[in-house]
Amino acid sequence: AQKVTQAQTEISVVEKEDVTLDCVYETRDTTYYLFWYKQPPSGELVFLIRRNSFDEQNEISGRYSWNFQKSTSSFNFTITASQVVDSAVYFCALRPMYSGGGADGLTFGKGTHLIIQP
Amino acid sequence: KAGVTQTPRYLIKTRGQQVTLSCSPISGHRSVSWYQQTPGQGLQFLFEYFSETQRNKGNFPGRFSGRQFSNSRSEMNVSTLELGDSALYLCASSSGRGDTQYFGPGTRLTVL
Repeated sequence: AQKVTQAQTEISVVEKEDVTLDCVYETRDTTYYLFWYKQPPSGELVFLIRRNSFDEQNEISGRYSWNFQKSTSSFNFTITASQVVDSAVYFCALRPMYSGGGADGLTFGKGTHLIIQP
Repeated sequence: KAGVTQTPRYLIKTRGQQVTLSCSPISGHRSVSWYQQTPGQGLQFLFEYFSETQRNKGNFPGRFSGRQFSNSRSEMNVSTLELGDSALYLCASSSGRGDTQYFGPGTRLTVL
């Protein structure tokens, strides 16, 4: 069984602050994919990043950066110099790389509601 | 490229009725997955189709079913609706198993 935990239910910061969203996962699979999605109030899930389990390089994309640490089963997401438009619910997700024939779609965490105040 | 489209965007049904939701994937994508999102349970995987075949199924009762057509479009059906089926139903498409799933805007189903 797989599990994704996003312990922070809601985070509120003032614009321009840096904020880190935590994601911890559990899986018995040795190879898997990790994802982050953003869900604005409109409801559509917007893809942000995908990492393979064997690629532990951190990634930076503009104001966004991701820290993947296999040793601690964590895949944290940092927004630098946050903006009001970053306000949304952010989901971390996990999927085995190879099908076990079972219910192995994306396993999502409960999400972190990020509020950026002007 | 056009994104994933879902119709209808909103639905109101009463208990006991059935409903069919439609999803058109991104052009060229052959895999379609469905998810249910509720405030209590969060995002849960329903099923995945690839080349008209169901590849994976989540832990949902048999009232939830789906199918995929030769043009990769997919439909999801829920029979004998219950109040607890009220949710946002999201469809996602991808090129294949190892590829990123891109989501549509969802269908908001309300069961009265």
